[in-house]
Amino acid sequence: ETGVTQTPRHLVMGMTNKKSLKCEQHLGHNAMYWYKQSAKKPLELMFVYNFKEQTENNSVPSRFSPECPNSSHLFLHLHTLQPEDSALYLCASSQEASGSYNEQFFGPGTRLTVL
Amino acid sequence: AQKVTQAQTEISVVEKEDVTLDCVYETRDTTYYLFWYKQPPSGELVFLIRRNSFDEQNEISGRYSWNFQKSTSSFNFTITASQVVDSAVYFCALSGRIYNTDKLIFGTGTRLQVFP
Repeated sequence: ETGVTQTPRHLVMGMTNKKSLKCEQHLGHNAMYWYKQSAKKPLELMFVYNFKEQTENNSVPSRFSPECPNSSHLFLHLHTLQPEDSALYLCASSQEASGSYNEQFFGPGTRLTVL
Repeated sequence: AQKVTQAQTEISVVEKEDVTLDCVYETRDTTYYLFWYKQPPSGELVFLIRRNSFDEQNEISGRYSWNFQKSTSSFNFTITASQVVDSAVYFCALSGRIYNTDKLIFGTGTRLQVFP
C-alpha cells in the first residue's frame, strides 16, 4: 500500500461504545496529525505527533485519546462520544511537524456517526 | 491573527468553462507558505500546490493556474476548461507558527460542481 491509509472508512457507534480509528502512513514521514472535519466548518487540527512525541493537543476533549506507537502508525481511541462528535476524521502525515514548508498528505478519512 | 477566507461557498459551472476560486489570507509572518488541496467525494485531501511568500511568480500546471498577489494577500486558483472530474471541494491553507508549532490553517473550502 502507498500513501496514507485509514480504517475503518465508516463507523457508527453508540454514546457508550469504545472504538478506535487507525491510520498508517507508508511515506517514511516523521509527523502525523488528526483532523476533524465537520460540515461547513474549517478543518480542525486535533493532535500532532512529531517523531512519536505529541507536540499538540488542540484543546480536544478527553473522550478522544490519541496513540502513536511509531512514526508510521497513529490511533485515535474513542469513548463516551457525543452526537456532535459525528464528523469525518482525517489523518495526515508530513516529513516533520516543524518547518512550515512541509506539505501534509492526507488519508481518505473515517466517517464517524455517533447515535 | 492568522486566517484564511474562501468567500465562495459553492460554485457551479458547465464543462469547458473557466472558473476561479478565491483565497484571501491574513498573517503577520514574513515567511509563510500557501497551499491548495482538492477533496473529491472519496474524502482524502489531495495536495495540489505549495507557494512560499517570497515567490510571487504565477504557476501553471496543465489546466490549473495559481495567481499569488502579496499586495492583496490573495492566492487564487483558476481551472481552465473545467471538466466533470474537477468537481470537488477545494481548500486553501496557510502555514503558520502558533505557540511554537507549525500548523496549517485551512479555509472553509469552496465546493465546485462541474456539470456536463
